[in-house]
Amino acid sequence: GDSVTQMEGPVTLSEEAFLTINCTYTATGYPSLFWYVQYPGEGLQLLLKATKADDKGSNKGFEATYRKETTSFHLEKGSVQVSDSAVYFCALSGSSNTGKLIFGQGTTLQVKP
Amino acid sequence: EAGVAQSPRYKIIEKRQSVAFWCNPISGHATLYWYQQILGQGPKLLIQFQNNGVVDDSQLPKDRFSAERLKGVDSTLKIQPAKLEDSAVYLCASSPTPGLNYEQYFGPGTRLTVT
Repeated sequence: GDSVTQMEGPVTLSEEAFLTINCTYTATGYPSLFWYVQYPGEGLQLLLKATKADDKGSNKGFEATYRKETTSFHLEKGSVQVSDSAVYFCALSGSSNTGKLIFGQGTTLQVKP
Repeated sequence: EAGVAQSPRYKIIEKRQSVAFWCNPISGHATLYWYQQILGQGPKLLIQFQNNGVVDDSQLPKDRFSAERLKGVDSTLKIQPAKLEDSAVYLCASSPTPGLNYEQYFGPGTRLTVT
């Protein structure tokens, strides 16, 4: 079945450091790919998405490119801020075609001043 | 626009007791999802409704979990009897219509602790 694998956390960075959170997936067909973020004490919210191969999703300085050849959707940001501290989830919506999301296990990011 | 509402926010019960969670989706959203998020894991879909019909309940433990969506709007998720392994955050989400490209909007969740 479809699945998503994220890099283990927690990830601890200093402010203004470069961020990469790795995400790879297994799916039949052509899934849509998402990054969701959960800030402390808040609900999950969509950060960015990409719906076809080579698409780049971007929002709030974060970017991720849908790489079909490597089945990856790595999240990057050039300069993180303390306010980016949160849990990040990679997810796909795939072969079932119902909109159902399959999530990775989440990666905790802590940014220190 | 009001977001997805859930109640209660926290619940502590003993094993073998029953519990119910309530969700009110964003107005006009036809699709409603219930996810279970165990600590340290990503959310896992329990059940999906399209209006008041069930689209996917393949991962719902039907011997103890039940859910309904009244008149295609509010939804309740019930656990009876609860087990220790049901301790988790239960998330409700809604979207305008099912499909690959529609964003799901999540509520704040209900944190259940079973002792």
